[in-house]
Amino acid sequence: NAGVTQTPKFRILKIGQSMTLQCAQDMNHNYMYWYRQDPGMGLKLIYYSVGAGITDKGEVPNGYNVSRSTTEDFPLRLELAAPSQTSVYFCASRLSGSRVGELFFGEGSRLTVL
Amino acid sequence: EDKVVQSPLSLVVHEGDTVTLNCSYEVTNFRSLLWYKQEKKAPTFLFMLTSSGIEKKSGRLSSILDKKELFSILNITATQTGDSAVYLCAVGAPYSGGGADGLTFGKGTHLIIQP
Repeated sequence: NAGVTQTPKFRILKIGQSMTLQCAQDMNHNYMYWYRQDPGMGLKLIYYSVGAGITDKGEVPNGYNVSRSTTEDFPLRLELAAPSQTSVYFCASRLSGSRVGELFFGEGSRLTVL
Repeated sequence: EDKVVQSPLSLVVHEGDTVTLNCSYEVTNFRSLLWYKQEKKAPTFLFMLTSSGIEKKSGRLSSILDKKELFSILNITATQTGDSAVYLCAVGAPYSGGGADGLTFGKGTHLIIQP
């Protein structure tokens, strides 16, 4: 059981570069989320999707974009990376009929912007 | 703005001790309170509480919610080194801007169990 798979696990970017964090789940979950976790802080929601073709902003969407062309994949795009985007990024998913918050998380992608 | 406050932020105890972690909240349209355990990588779901006074238990872990006083506690008895982790509390409140689940997370309690 792969669950939620995130790539890459680690990445260093220079200011102004762009990159895409990949997230894939094989559980046929329709809800998918991107969170960021800064040191000593709680998780903040960046974007979420309730199904293929449907995405919406979370609490901290600025500087990011997402797409959801399939049920399985939910990539997060960072345009013009800034030091403030240094964080650990978690992708999560759940089935729409499951309990609210009963999320399955990926192992995280640690991004450093220098 | 919705707020979730966890205390203490860090705690060091010895194996076998009992610990109590606290989570207080201020949210509109409260729906549920959730606890997660985060070891080195991904958070994993522990409990969801929606009703006051009903204890949820899983082995040595238990949790209870007080909706009148707006807090929850997570108890761990007979602690083991494998319980060392960050414990996250989150509150679900629809339409709070947190997405489909409307989750607001606390900063977490970093628990260290010494042998």
